[in-house]
Amino acid sequence: NAGVMQNPRHLVRRRGQEARLRCSPMKGHSHVYWYRQLPEEGLKFMVYLQKENIIDESGMPKERFSAEFPKEGPSILRIQQVVRGDSAAYFCASSQGQGVAKNIQYFGAGTRLSVL
Amino acid sequence: AQSVTQLDSHVSVSEGTPVLLRCNYSSSYSPSLFWYVQHPNKGLQLLLKYTSAATLVKGINGFEAEFKKSETSFHLTKPSAHMSDAAEYFCVVSDYPPSGSARQLTFGSGTQLTVLP
Repeated sequence: NAGVMQNPRHLVRRRGQEARLRCSPMKGHSHVYWYRQLPEEGLKFMVYLQKENIIDESGMPKERFSAEFPKEGPSILRIQQVVRGDSAAYFCASSQGQGVAKNIQYFGAGTRLSVL
Repeated sequence: AQSVTQLDSHVSVSEGTPVLLRCNYSSSYSPSLFWYVQHPNKGLQLLLKYTSAATLVKGINGFEAEFKKSETSFHLTKPSAHMSDAAEYFCVVSDYPPSGSARQLTFGSGTQLTVLP
């Protein structure tokens, strides 16, 4: 029973390129969350998605960042025209659903983005 | 609004001695509280969770935490530290408004635990 799978584990991009980060939730989980961890900091919420819907994107920067969770396939976090400040670890989590019992979030190993 | 404060950014203990990692929270509703551990260059692993059942929560690897509403605290403890416990620990809160839908997790800034031989 695979956990939350993120790929790639490491991603290097030059300024101005696009970064695409992928996340496959745990089997049976239909809720996906993206978090960003800057060096020496805790994780900060970015966006919460269910299949084909963005539920809460209050933590997402207004420009250059987008996320999707299509009916088929993994969730994608897309960063256009990357800048050095985007360098961080991006973590994906998934949960079974809402409510106290089902909202436990399980995390992937993260994608470490380096912008040169 | 919800927030969490981890009172120590670094804690050092000797192997075999007790561990105490402190966490205070604030929440507008009935909170769920979690401790996650992150080993270097790894993802986050759930250590334990409090979801309004017993106030003393036991987790994996001998860790436990006690929810104290009057003190708004959720400190993490372990009776005897092991070298493999060296990692970063995050206290996390998620509250549940009356509408029933959970909010996103709010993380503390983390406590780096060093275990000395």
